[in-house]
Formats: sequence, C-alpha cells, structure tokens
Amino acid sequence: DAGVTQSPTHLIKTRGQHVTLRCSPISGHKSVSWYQQVLGQGPQFIFQYYEKEERGRGNFPDRFSARQFPNYSSELNVNALLLGDSALYLCASSPPDGNEQFFGPGTRLTVL
Amino acid sequence: EDQVTQSPEALRLQEGESSSLNCSYTVSGLRGLFWYRQDPGKGPEFLFTLYSAGEEKEKERLKATLTKKESFLHITAPKPEDSATYLCAALPSNDYKLSFGAGTTVTVRA
Repeated sequence: DAGVTQSPTHLIKTRGQHVTLRCSPISGHKSVSWYQQVLGQGPQFIFQYYEKEERGRGNFPDRFSARQFPNYSSELNVNALLLGDSALYLCASSPPDGNEQFFGPGTRLTVL
Repeated sequence: EDQVTQSPEALRLQEGESSSLNCSYTVSGLRGLFWYRQDPGKGPEFLFTLYSAGEEKEKERLKATLTKKESFLHITAPKPEDSATYLCAALPSNDYKLSFGAGTTVTVRA
C-alpha cells in the first residue's frame, strides 16, 4: 500500500516569495496534519484538517495557510517567506478509527 | 501548556549494550503517547501507541512502557541498524495537536 506522499522533495526559495507544498494521504485516511521540523528539534504542529475543515492550528503566523480537497489531499501555503521558515515540512495522515499519525518523507524548504 | 521532554539528547551504545530512553510528558489528559523512529532527512516512522499507565508494547528489540507521567523506550541488545533519532509525542484528550519531544539520537557501534 502506498504511504503518505509529498511534493516536491526539495525546494529553494528567496525571502519574500511564497511556496505551496502538497500532500496525498494514505488511501482511506480523511485527516491530514502538517508539521514544521527544524534541525535538532521535534516536529511542531501547524495545522490539522479533517473532511476539508480545519480542526486544529498551532502557534504559527497567518502567513501559513492550508486547505484540504475533496479527495483528502492537502496543500500548505506559506507567504512572505523568511529565512527562519527553512525547515523540513512534514505531512501526516490518520485513519478514521485511530489516533496514530503516519508521516510522509517531507519537503525540505530552503529560504535564501 | 502541553510539554514533552526527552532524555538523554544523545546516546552512544556498543552493539548488544541494552539501554532505555525517557519521555516525560505534561498534557491535559492523555489520549495517546506515541513513539516514532526518524532517520536523517526522512519522515518519522510510527513505532508504538500507548494509551494507559501500565501498558507495554514490543517490536523486535524495542519495548515501550507507560506510566502516568513518563514513557520509556527500552532497546535490548541493539544492532547498528537501530541507530536513529527516536521521537516521543503526546496527544491530549481535548485537542488534536500532537506535541513532540526533541528526540534522542541513538548511535550503535559495531
């Protein structure tokens, strides 16, 4: 079975630009969560979506936004990029009957 | 505020030398405590979920246990392929936000 997929794998942007990251959950999973992981730290929760509705938001500025589509895939958008946004962005999906979150390989974003 | 603290930050082991990793958590009612393994540059790989104090889960050389304030990941007779960062995360009962610790980086030398 295919796991969580994310695209692109790597991305280089400059300050002030915007970026869109994409995620496809495991088949049958309806919940998608986004995390930011900087080097040496654990993942930090950004958003969770369930059935296209935002179900949770972490302590991130309004420059970060997300949405979930009818097929349960999701996009994370970051506007006005800052150097500090450089990180590994992780997407995770959860089954309808469980609390476990299964992660994708991540998108490595570098802001110059 | 929910908080998860892992110790030690790093652990260097000789092959076959068993050890334990600690995860202390403070959440508003625990819905679940999760352990993940993360290899460099990759996404976390799910290992275990624990729901209540006294619960134990095992997988190969790994065993996770849970008390009311802590969880332990025991590595028995580790091999070099067990080298990774091990992450602990707590899910509160009244939220969907998974809070992670900073991880313990385990290096197993042959």
